[in-house]
Amino acid sequence: EAQVTQNPRYLITVTGKKLTVTCSQNMNHEYMSWYRQDPGLGLRQIYYSMNVEVTDKGDVPEGYKVSRKEKRNFPLILESPSPNQTSLYFCASRNRGTDTQYFGPGTRLTVL
Amino acid sequence: KNEVEQSPQNLTAQEGEFITINCSYSVGISALHWLQQHPGGGIVSLFMLSSGKKKHGRLIATINIQEKHSSLHITASHPRDSAVYICAVPYNTDKLIFGTGTRLQVFP
Repeated sequence: EAQVTQNPRYLITVTGKKLTVTCSQNMNHEYMSWYRQDPGLGLRQIYYSMNVEVTDKGDVPEGYKVSRKEKRNFPLILESPSPNQTSLYFCASRNRGTDTQYFGPGTRLTVL
Repeated sequence: KNEVEQSPQNLTAQEGEFITINCSYSVGISALHWLQQHPGGGIVSLFMLSSGKKKHGRLIATINIQEKHSSLHITASHPRDSAVYICAVPYNTDKLIFGTGTRLQVFP
């Protein structure tokens, strides 16, 4: 089944404790993105990647890192999480030449 | 002023009613996406359109590039249509600007 998977789905952590949210897609898509969703603000792009080893900042990249060492994986790294990073995070992918984005199920992160 | 604005923010309807959700944008674009976010949080891409109209089942999306406006219509609405509907516009290779969504509740 074609899908985007994220892990974990739920995470409660404390300020400053490094964490990684994994994202994997099995559709051989070139493009992958990370978004955060906050009440009243909607979805905002954090980082995106156009292919292996090619990443770029979105609208709200501060406090986040990403890597794209393999085509299928696009992990989101929070080196020192803070409470303002409490949010619902989505990973998405799409194929070059198409516009349909496939979203992961979301990761709800709470930073205390 | 948000670059992508949706109206209304919240919408309630009785089963069977015709629903319209609007999206206006201020950035120059060539296409627009409509997404559906289920109550459980999952997001599904409904349409991408660059002109005219697209139809999928009971869903119809229209766009007017000159007026920078798009509408999503749901005919014969059903409680399972209850969701948040989000429009998004691309402004770079893979950058999207999202509206804040319209929460639709359809009651039996």
